[in-house]
Amino acid sequence: AQKVTQAQTEISVVEKEDVTLDCVYETRDTTYYLFWYKQPPSGELVFLIRRNSFDEQNEISGRYSWNFQKSTSSFNFTITASQVVDSAVYFCALSVDSGGSNYKLTFGKGTLLTVNP
Amino acid sequence: NAGVTQTPKFQVLKTGQSMTLQCAQDMNHEYMSWYRQDPGMGLRLIHYSVGAGITDQGEVPNGYNVSRSTTEDFPLRLLSAAPSQTSVYFCASSYSLAVTYEQYFGPGTRLTVT
Repeated sequence: AQKVTQAQTEISVVEKEDVTLDCVYETRDTTYYLFWYKQPPSGELVFLIRRNSFDEQNEISGRYSWNFQKSTSSFNFTITASQVVDSAVYFCALSVDSGGSNYKLTFGKGTLLTVNP
Repeated sequence: NAGVTQTPKFQVLKTGQSMTLQCAQDMNHEYMSWYRQDPGMGLRLIHYSVGAGITDQGEVPNGYNVSRSTTEDFPLRLLSAAPSQTSVYFCASSYSLAVTYEQYFGPGTRLTVT
């Protein structure tokens, strides 16, 4: 069975601070995929990134960066110089490719990030 | 492309009533799914489908029914609404059956059962 843990329920920062959202996952499969989604106050779910288990390279996209470490089963998300528009709930999610026997995406419970001006 | 559409956006039901939440996608995705989102619980999978005529249960299927007669549509039926089904419901679709690629989410339906 798969499990995703986002231990930080809520984080509050002041604008321009850097913030890291933690994600720890559990799976016995060797081929798996990790995702981050953003849910702003308007409620829609926005895809941010996908990473497969064979690619441990860190990813940077503007002020966003992701640190994937298989040794600690973590896929953490850092926002540099946070802005008020980054305020949202962020979800980490996991799916596995186990030869056609799994069709489910497992979500963490989410981290509510509030960026104050 | 409209992507994933859901209707209605808001709904209030009385306990015991039934209703159908509609979901449609125009991306020709085989995989479609329904989630419910509750405070502090994240998104939990209710039912999913890997193609027309094929559906299966997710994590929290009780009280819900689905069918998939076409690739485009995946309605969710509440058979006899209960207050515990008060939630925000999201429909999603994916290019990949194993959900190894991103899912596209609809805007959600906010359901209140009194």
